[in-house]
Amino acid sequence: QKEVEQNSGPLSVPEGAIASLNCTYSDRGSQSFFWYRQYSGKSPELIMSIYSNGDKEDGRFTAQLNKASQYVSLLIRDSQPSDSATYLCAVHGSYYGGSQGNLIFGKGTKLSVKP
Amino acid sequence: DAMVIQNPRYQVTQFGKPVTLSCSQTLNHNVMYWYQQKSSQAPKLLFHYYDKDFNNEADTPDNFQSRRPNTSFCFLDIRSPGLGDAAMYLCATSRDPGYNEQFFGPGTRLTVL
Repeated sequence: QKEVEQNSGPLSVPEGAIASLNCTYSDRGSQSFFWYRQYSGKSPELIMSIYSNGDKEDGRFTAQLNKASQYVSLLIRDSQPSDSATYLCAVHGSYYGGSQGNLIFGKGTKLSVKP
Repeated sequence: DAMVIQNPRYQVTQFGKPVTLSCSQTLNHNVMYWYQQKSSQAPKLLFHYYDKDFNNEADTPDNFQSRRPNTSFCFLDIRSPGLGDAAMYLCATSRDPGYNEQFFGPGTRLTVL
C-alpha cells in the first residue's frame, strides 16, 4: 500500500512567521507532487505543484522536493490568519507502484496562524 | 472562468433512498474523478473516468455507481445510502491521467437520516 505521511498537527505559528509543512511518501516511482489547501467545510484548492528536485517559489509559498529522501515540504512565509487551514500533500503514485497512477493524499496538517 | 461545478451543494436523504450527485466541468478535461471525504480524513478515490473508460477502485462498494454521459458531465449514484455514507463528495478533473494536476469542485455535503 503506497502511503503519504504528514504530521496531523495542529501546527500553530504567529502571524508573520514562517510555517513549515512536511510530507514523506513511500512510492519511489512517484514523479508529481502537489499541495492543496482545504478550509474547513470546503473542497481542496491546489496551491503548488512540483515535479523536479529543488525549490519552487510562488509568492509566499515555496515547495521543496527531495526525491532521494522521498520528502516534500511547503514553506509559507509571512503567515497570515487567512492561511489557517488544513494542508494536504498529494503524490501521484507510479503506474507500477500499485496505485495505477492515482493521486494519493496524506491526511493533512492543520495550520493555525495566530494574530 | 473555467471551473468544476457540483450540484447540489448540500443533499439530505433518508436511509436507503437513492441519491444522485452531479458534476460538470468547463475545463474540457479528459478525466473526471469522484472522491469521498469524511471529517479529518484524506479524500478517498471512488472511481474515475478517462474519457469514456470507467475505472473503479477495488474497495469502492457496489452501492456506488457512476455515469459519464458526455465530456462535461459526470454523476455519482448511491443506490441505497447508509449512515456510513454521510460525507463530502468531491468531483475533480484533470487533463490526462497520470501526472497532471487535479482540480476540485466545491463538493456536495451528503447527510443521511
